[in-house]
Amino acid sequence: EDQVTQSPEALRLQEGESSSLNCSYTVSGLRGLFWYRQDPGKGPEFLFTLYSAGEEKEKERLKATLTKKESFLHITAPKPEDSATYLCAVPRMDTGRRALTFGSGTRLQVQP
Amino acid sequence: NAGVTQTPKFRVLKTGQSMTLLCAQDMNHEYMYWYRQDPGMGLRLIHYSVGEGTTAKGEVPDGYNVSRLKKQNFLLGLESAAPSQTSVYFCASNQGAQETQYFGPGTRLLVL
Repeated sequence: EDQVTQSPEALRLQEGESSSLNCSYTVSGLRGLFWYRQDPGKGPEFLFTLYSAGEEKEKERLKATLTKKESFLHITAPKPEDSATYLCAVPRMDTGRRALTFGSGTRLQVQP
Repeated sequence: NAGVTQTPKFRVLKTGQSMTLLCAQDMNHEYMYWYRQDPGMGLRLIHYSVGEGTTAKGEVPDGYNVSRLKKQNFLLGLESAAPSQTSVYFCASNQGAQETQYFGPGTRLLVL
């Protein structure tokens, strides 16, 4: 069964204080790992897809990396507007890799 | 393009009442999904559809029914609502397996 575990559950940073969020996964044959951002009261918003170990993608202050067992979302010099819940997900084998299995998310708060 | 839209945004039901949640997408996507999100549990798959006229069960299908009579619409029905169905419901769509899913803004349902 595909499993996705995110840590920490919550993270509080000062503005400018860089850190990393972790997403560890157990799947048989990875077919992509997705990162989403979710603001309170809104739907998840797509950030990145990573397909193979060693792959990296960047967007503004965010960089996502992938190994064979986990993915990291690195946040460099965060700003208060980066405060959100960050979700990672993998395609579910039991749906033919169509639907996603999500982790429970990391709630990030960046204080000015 | 509006992307994925959901109606209603918020609803309060009494135990035993029925209702239908509507999801519409204007991206001509083949696949559509219904997830529910509960505190600390991440998003869980309820039902999904791989094309007009097709539906399949997800991880937590009990108490829900779905229909996909038109490619752009995916309906989620609750025949007899229970307090355990209090949740936030998200619809998503994508064009193919392993491709990015785009989410709607969510429907907040409270069952008393």
